[in-house]
Amino acid sequence: DIVMTQTPLSSPVTLGQPASISCRSSQSLVHSDGNTYLSWLQQRPGQPPRLLIYKISNRFSGVPDRFSGSGAGTDFTLKISRVEAEDVGVYYCTQATQFPLTFGGGTKVEIK
Amino acid sequence: EVQLVQSGAEVKKPGESLKISCKGSGYSFTSYWIGWVRQMPGKGLEWMGIIYPGDSDTRYSPSFQGQVTISADKSISTAYLQWSSLKASDTAMYYCARQWYGHNAFDIWGQGTMVTVSS
Repeated sequence: DIVMTQTPLSSPVTLGQPASISCRSSQSLVHSDGNTYLSWLQQRPGQPPRLLIYKISNRFSGVPDRFSGSGAGTDFTLKISRVEAEDVGVYYCTQATQFPLTFGGGTKVEIK
Repeated sequence: EVQLVQSGAEVKKPGESLKISCKGSGYSFTSYWIGWVRQMPGKGLEWMGIIYPGDSDTRYSPSFQGQVTISADKSISTAYLQWSSLKASDTAMYYCARQWYGHNAFDIWGQGTMVTVSS
């Protein structure tokens, strides 16, 4: 199985300041079709997860442009340019390049 | 509107059986994979398995193979997750999610079904 490791576990951030979350996979996420199926999910308290970013860097419909994704191969990053109160929650990276699909352990973003 | 609507919360005793559901609407249900994800209280997300309702092709995580059964009835656009004998450790929130064709990302999520197993 591909292991997804996220850091940090928790990220206290001041409103309006940036936040960055790292995700590392135990093997390359480049699929044989050339795509890299790495996505990012946001889970607000008491809510189901929500798709933010797909295939490394593509923002899903309705996702604010303060969210951005980058990376390649085994190292990926989610950045929030200016954290707002509604961004509080847990963020997960997930890979769908290989079965079984796997998730990172999650990073909690909270306001200082 | 594209949505997945899950069945309501369940409270069961150890050893009982259970089948929860996930009904899709607003899109071609047979054309997208539907996955199931477990979230134990206060914990992260775990991928359990996935089914393609068009032909019922099903894949399981090794961690859940033999522990649960995933199925679908395309005539009513509904996917299912079932247990034959529940354990206390099955207490969790269970989400279904649609896998977006061509992008392999879970783009639509159900609201979740809380399953509590307690004697």
